Amino acid sequence: QKEVEQDPGPLSVPEGAIVSLNCTYSNSAFQYFMWYRQYSRKGPELLMYTYSSGNKEDGRFTAQVDKSSKYISLFIRDSQPSDSATYLCAMSENNAGNMLTFGGGTRLMVKP
Amino acid sequence: EAGVAQSPRYKIIEKRQSVAFWCNPISGHATLYWYQQILGQGPKLLIQFQNNGVVDDSQLPKDRFSAERLKGVDSTLKIQPAKLEDSAVYLCASSLDGGAYTQYFGPGTRLTVL
Repeated sequence: QKEVEQDPGPLSVPEGAIVSLNCTYSNSAFQYFMWYRQYSRKGPELLMYTYSSGNKEDGRFTAQVDKSSKYISLFIRDSQPSDSATYLCAMSENNAGNMLTFGGGTRLMVKP
Repeated sequence: EAGVAQSPRYKIIEKRQSVAFWCNPISGHATLYWYQQILGQGPKLLIQFQNNGVVDDSQLPKDRFSAERLKGVDSTLKIQPAKLEDSAVYLCASSLDGGAYTQYFGPGTRLTVL
């Protein structure tokens, strides 16, 4: 079993839909949670990060962490075709850049 | 602000050949990372530099992979000899402070080993 699991998709939604992307994990010591967006032929780009549990909102994006269930989510409101990309979750036990564990990514397609 | 630069963007080689990738981090970023991203998987850290010193190379296959950052700025990653399973995208990232959520990634080099 992988330490961080993501449904690879693809997830196809119509423009304007609310998108829910999720990751489950097995290591209860993870404290730092990140979401990256990766466009085709590009490197990952940090979208949001949270520390410990709770919600964080940034524009159309909301990140949620449920440590009791070992489950994190990224919600995208009013999805746009430009949101079409692969979304990677990443986690770390501490604030150290060499300790990130990435999920395999979920490919999202937003259709006009 | 210029981003992380990598070259070449694409490389095709035969197995047992050698290959080198180059990375130029964001100006002023002391921390530099090399990752391997196999198709359908998340990035896996190969090596982390702090200035020109190695911080973590625990997942670097040292029998065939080597990396250096001689002057604490640019870095090269080399594979010699390459195997079929080395086919992947090699990502370079840099960070000002080495924190968990302060990495900026380059566009990567896509390596195909035939």
